[in-house]
Order: sequence, then structure tokens, then C-alpha cells
Amino acid sequence: SQQGEEDPQALSIQEGENATMNCSYKTSINNLQWYRQNSGRGLVHLILIRSNEREKHSGRLRVTLDTSKKSSSLLITASRAADTASYFCATDANTGTASKLTFGTGTRLQVTL
Amino acid sequence: DAGVTQSPTHLIKTRGQHVTLRCSPISGHKSVSWYQQVLGQGPQFIFQYYEKEERGRGNFPDRFSARQFPNYSSELNVNALLLGDSALYLCASSWIVARTEAFFGQGTRLTVV
Repeated sequence: SQQGEEDPQALSIQEGENATMNCSYKTSINNLQWYRQNSGRGLVHLILIRSNEREKHSGRLRVTLDTSKKSSSLLITASRAADTASYFCATDANTGTASKLTFGTGTRLQVTL
Repeated sequence: DAGVTQSPTHLIKTRGQHVTLRCSPISGHKSVSWYQQVLGQGPQFIFQYYEKEERGRGNFPDRFSARQFPNYSSELNVNALLLGDSALYLCASSWIVARTEAFFGQGTRLTVV
């Protein structure tokens, strides 16, 4: 079963604009990760935020985590056509003996010129 | 360094047949996980192996099995294929068993007819 939901399911913006995607989850977590997937192929890891962190930056990416609301957001600033992809959040809730990433349903981002 | 490699990239099988999918992790990574991604959904966890031992199993029937070899490569086996097994099968490796980012291969696209 899916852990949670990404919102929106689809997003279309123009190059240069910012894109914000939200993720909600259901259980307590150790960390939350964001991945990108191009054209239904492999996933590329973007950023990991631990449960004791509230905000993290990596290049044009900014991730926030609110454990009280069980939600996270991914902001992509100054988007490019190459950012067109599906974006998934994944939660890691295990205690250390195993790792099971539970993915959301994804946001399809379309960046047009 | 080579990333996670999966073979084959595409596969067409008939209902009732058996299939074996293969994965080679990134050099130095000892953990391999398998995920199934049905079209339009996020990946779902099938198995995790670490140091050749099964560390986690998702909610999949016994028709699904896996193993990890001494060189840390892994095989996913699916018996008695059903139409519903058609999906993208993703392998991910990580250097430790939990609480870290996962590196995904490009996947094997399995079509059952």
C-alpha cells in the first residue's frame, strides 16, 4: 500500500517559475526522501531529510518537513525544461535492522519553454 | 563507478511462466532491495537483502522470491506469472541496511501476456 499522497498529482509550469510539491504520510518516520523519475525508468535520489530536521537545501531544491502534520514539501526554484519528470516522496520508517521505503503516488511535473 | 545495473531491460512472458530478474549493486554496497512499480503508481517494496540475508519482505505472494549472492548481486524470481505482474521492477542498492539514500537501477520492464 502507498504510505501517502503527493499533491498535486500533476503540475504544469513555465521555465523559470518555481514548482512546489507536497507530500503527506501516515506513520512515524526516520527520514523522508524525494526521488525523480524520468519517463518511467529508474529513480534518482534528490534529497534526504531526517525526522529531526525541518528544512534542507540542495542546489535549486528546498525541502521542508513537518512531523507534527506528517507532511513535507519540495520546492524547485527557477525550473528548467530538464526538470520535467515525476517526483516521488518516500518515507523510511524502520528502526535500523531493515529499510523499507514507502512511496507516495507521485507528482508529474511538466516544465514548458 | 558503474551504477546499479539490471538485466534484462525488457522482457515479455506468457501467463504461468517463470521469470528471473538480475541486479548488480554499486561496488561496496551490501544491501539490495527490490520494488515493483505498476504504471501510474509509486514503487512498492518487495524484498530487502543485506549480507545475503533477507531483512524485509513486502506484501507480495509466495510466488515472489529473491536471493543475494556472495558478491552482493541479487536475483528476483517470480513463478506462475499473472497478467497483474506486468510492471517495472526496480532494484536499489545502499551501503548500509537502513536510514540512508537508495540508488536505483533503470529497471526491468516485464510484460505478461
